[in-house]
Amino acid sequence: DTAVSQTPKYLVTQMGNDKSIKCEQNLGHDTMYWYKQDSKKFLKIMFSYNNKELIINETVPNRFSPKSPDKAHLNLHINSLELGDSAVYFCASLRTGTPDTQYFGPGTRLTVL
Amino acid sequence: GQNIDQPTEMTATEGAIVQINCTYQTSGFNGLFWYQQHAGEAPTFLSYNVLDGLEEKGRFSSFLSRSKGYSYLLLKELQMKDSASYLCAVRDTTSGTYKYIFGTGTRLKVLA
Repeated sequence: DTAVSQTPKYLVTQMGNDKSIKCEQNLGHDTMYWYKQDSKKFLKIMFSYNNKELIINETVPNRFSPKSPDKAHLNLHINSLELGDSAVYFCASLRTGTPDTQYFGPGTRLTVL
Repeated sequence: GQNIDQPTEMTATEGAIVQINCTYQTSGFNGLFWYQQHAGEAPTFLSYNVLDGLEEKGRFSSFLSRSKGYSYLLLKELQMKDSASYLCAVRDTTSGTYKYIFGTGTRLKVLA
């Protein structure tokens, strides 16, 4: 009964390829996020969706396109992959309350060769 | 702008107490969070402060001073399993919606 799941867990691909990462949460939360964690472990927000609507779009290259078909799913498509895209990508879902708590998926380790 | 600073690494001995500091600068502060992340795993929520003072949860406590832009996470009776990265995160409302800004994390090594 995984709360936030991501597929794939590992992704190794060549520069220039297009790839997608999928995220699903079964917690009934309305808000989901994509974060990128680089080799220095810096966790940086990329996008946030609330009930299928984009609410946060950080300064991310437009090669990255999120899609939320419903509030339980948030996918990330990356076009024309570059070496600098290599990182761990975490999906998270937000339980609102006191306090708000983010539940992170297991991460997708993307390696671009 | 927004900035969060934490020490990169700390080392402590099993059974000891360690304090991990975090300083932040943001114009839309709306709460401070601490997350724990073991190597190769996802971050998990530890604690939260929105008002000044100390919040205690078992062996872990977190302190906040909003006027100083400062927080710390205190870990008591350290155990080997506490070896992990500890991420300080600020909830910021500058953009008109809640956004979570993470520090680079402090890698804690607990030695026997």
